[in-house]
Amino acid sequence: GAVVSQHPSWVICKSGTSVKIECRSLDFQATTMFWYRQFPKQSLMLMATSNEGSKATYEQGVEKDKFLINHASLTLSTLTVTSAHPEDSSFYICSAQTGLHSTNEKLFFGSGTQLSVL
Amino acid sequence: AQSVTQPDIHITVSEGASLELRCNYSYGATPYLFWYVQSPGQGLQLLLKYFSGDTLVQGIKGFEAEFKRSQSSFNLRKPSVHWSDAAEYFCAVGALGDKVIFGPGTSLSVIP
Repeated sequence: GAVVSQHPSWVICKSGTSVKIECRSLDFQATTMFWYRQFPKQSLMLMATSNEGSKATYEQGVEKDKFLINHASLTLSTLTVTSAHPEDSSFYICSAQTGLHSTNEKLFFGSGTQLSVL
Repeated sequence: AQSVTQPDIHITVSEGASLELRCNYSYGATPYLFWYVQSPGQGLQLLLKYFSGDTLVQGIKGFEAEFKRSQSSFNLRKPSVHWSDAAEYFCAVGALGDKVIFGPGTSLSVIP
C-alpha cells in the first residue's frame, strides 16, 4: 500500500480562495518533507523543504507568503496555496523522508494533487 | 552544483524492442538515484532506486538501471518494451535529508 498519502488528489477552486494540500507519511516518521510543483509537460521543481517543528526553507523565486508550509508533526505536512490565482494551477507533489543518518531509510513521494484555479 | 540531465527529450521505440533511457548527474557526494514514471495526468510511480551496494538495480515492470560512478550515469533499461510503458520518465538524484532534484524528463512513445 501507499506509504505517503497526499490529499486531495484533485481540487478545483475559485480565484482568490485558499487551498490546503495534506501530505502524510503512513508508516514512518518523516523528519523532512519536500514540496514540488510540476507544470504541464515539464519536470518537477522543488518549492520548499520543511523539517518538523521548524520553518520551511523556500527555493529561490517561491513566494513563502503565498505557499504556506506547515510541518506540525512527524507524519504530516501541509501546503496552503493562499489567494489562489489561475497561474497557480499546477500539479503539486510532496516527498516524505526520514533523517539523513536513519538506519531505516525511507524516501517516498505522494501521488500528487492537481490544482485548477478558475 | 547539483543537477540531473536526461539528454533525450523524446524517444520512440517499437513494441518488443529494447529501451535505454539516459541519465547523468552532478552531485557532491555519493547520491541516491531514482527513476520515476508518470503517466498522463497521474502522479509519480517509483520504478527503482539506488542507495548503495550492487550497482545493477532491478525495479518493477521489468526495468533495471545501472549506476556507473565513473560516468556519473544511471541509465534505465528494459529488454522488451510494452505499449503500456508509454509515459514520461524522470531520473532524480538526492540524499536522505537533502532535496531530491529531478531531471527534465524523457517522453517515451511506443509504436505498436
